Amino acid sequence: ETGVTQTPRHLVMGMTNKKSLKCEQHLGHNAMYWYKQSAKKPLELMFVYNFKEQTENNSVPSRFSPECPNSSHLFLHLHTLQPEDSALYLCASSQGSTQGEAFFGQGTRLTVV
Amino acid sequence: DQQVKQNSPSLSVQEGRISILNCDYTNSMFDYFLWYKKYPAEGPTFLISISSIKDKNEDGRFTVFLNKSAKHLSLHIVPSQPGDSAVYFCAASARAGGTSYGKLTFGQGTILTVHP
Repeated sequence: ETGVTQTPRHLVMGMTNKKSLKCEQHLGHNAMYWYKQSAKKPLELMFVYNFKEQTENNSVPSRFSPECPNSSHLFLHLHTLQPEDSALYLCASSQGSTQGEAFFGQGTRLTVV
Repeated sequence: DQQVKQNSPSLSVQEGRISILNCDYTNSMFDYFLWYKKYPAEGPTFLISISSIKDKNEDGRFTVFLNKSAKHLSLHIVPSQPGDSAVYFCAASARAGGTSYGKLTFGQGTILTVHP
């Protein structure tokens, strides 16, 4: 596989569930990002990781918990979400935090019921 | 307050003609601008970018123009093809400040439809 791969592509979860979104990049990049796109809103940056270290948290509620075990993998752990958290969650990577363009995965369409 | 705006939600163009997509920004710190294309059920794909030290960047059928004084950029697609039909996002970043290059502020997107 090449590029940025996200799983699952679709996820439906209840408000009391715990689930995780996974992102894997095969580009040799060192920076990874989580973005969120809600209906009729622009993409919004959630988290930035550079060389596995979180360098930015864009005021995201604690019910979203990112994890970056290595430069190729990024997770977003979800717990006690609200229906308004339903959105498209996109992972991206770039060569470094100060190098290269951001490349995006296909996204995970999350529905919270 | 939206710092990057694409005021046209949609644009319809005939095949072979020029498509012009517009984007306005308000943050003077932005110094790097990008266009992404997105098909349904796929993530955004990087298309073309421009640094604030330039006013034009060209890549094949795609040209991006930057007017810093007006805080306005545009993407020209010539000639337009049916396969160009997608959502186009304008994005901006403030790279000179040492911020992460992947920290992008996006516009709402413009749906481009190219008719055969």
